[in-house]
Amino acid sequence: EAGVVQSPRYKIIEKKQPVAFWCNPISGHNTLYWYRQNLGQGPELLIRYENEEAVDDSQLPKDRFSAERLKGVDSTLKIQPAELGDSAVYLCASSLSSNEQFFGPGTRLTVL
Amino acid sequence: GESVGLHLPTLSVQEGDNSIINCAYSNSASDYFIWYKQESGKGPQFIIDIRSNMDKRQGQRVTVLLNKTVKHLSLQIAATQPGDSAVYFCAERLNYQLIWGAGTKLIIKP
Repeated sequence: EAGVVQSPRYKIIEKKQPVAFWCNPISGHNTLYWYRQNLGQGPELLIRYENEEAVDDSQLPKDRFSAERLKGVDSTLKIQPAELGDSAVYLCASSLSSNEQFFGPGTRLTVL
Repeated sequence: GESVGLHLPTLSVQEGDNSIINCAYSNSASDYFIWYKQESGKGPQFIIDIRSNMDKRQGQRVTVLLNKTVKHLSLQIAATQPGDSAVYFCAERLNYQLIWGAGTKLIIKP
């Protein structure tokens, strides 16, 4: 069974540029999560989707971050414009409802 | 300045010995706890979980102990192997949201 797929794996951009991350969850998983992970720390939830509905986006910095999951499958997370402090690993995870979460390999973002 | 996050707690154990990784959680109302393993360059990987109505659960080479009185969780790895080298995170579930601990880096000495 294929796991959670994320792309790109690495991204280097200059500050003030836009950037987008893509996630394809495990087939059949209705819940999708986006996390941000800083070096040496645990993941921090940015947004959680149940199918195509964002049910928890309280931690998403809405002035510059946006996310979508239009058909309840793939999801895109966007940052516009990026700031130096956005450098981190962005992880996508999926699960069947609120059960065990399966993580993708993440996208490592470096903002210069 | 240097990030506090770079100073991960580290546990160094001899190959073949048992490892015990500890975690203090914060919410008495948390109903579910999970241990994850994260290798360099990869996402976290589920190891074992335990519900709040249990105090011990065993898997293959791993055991999780839960002490709700002092809000403490531990992960025991038997006969530690080089492949166990990773950062280990505990997470508690509160209101369907996972709250993650800071992580412990496990180093295996040959």
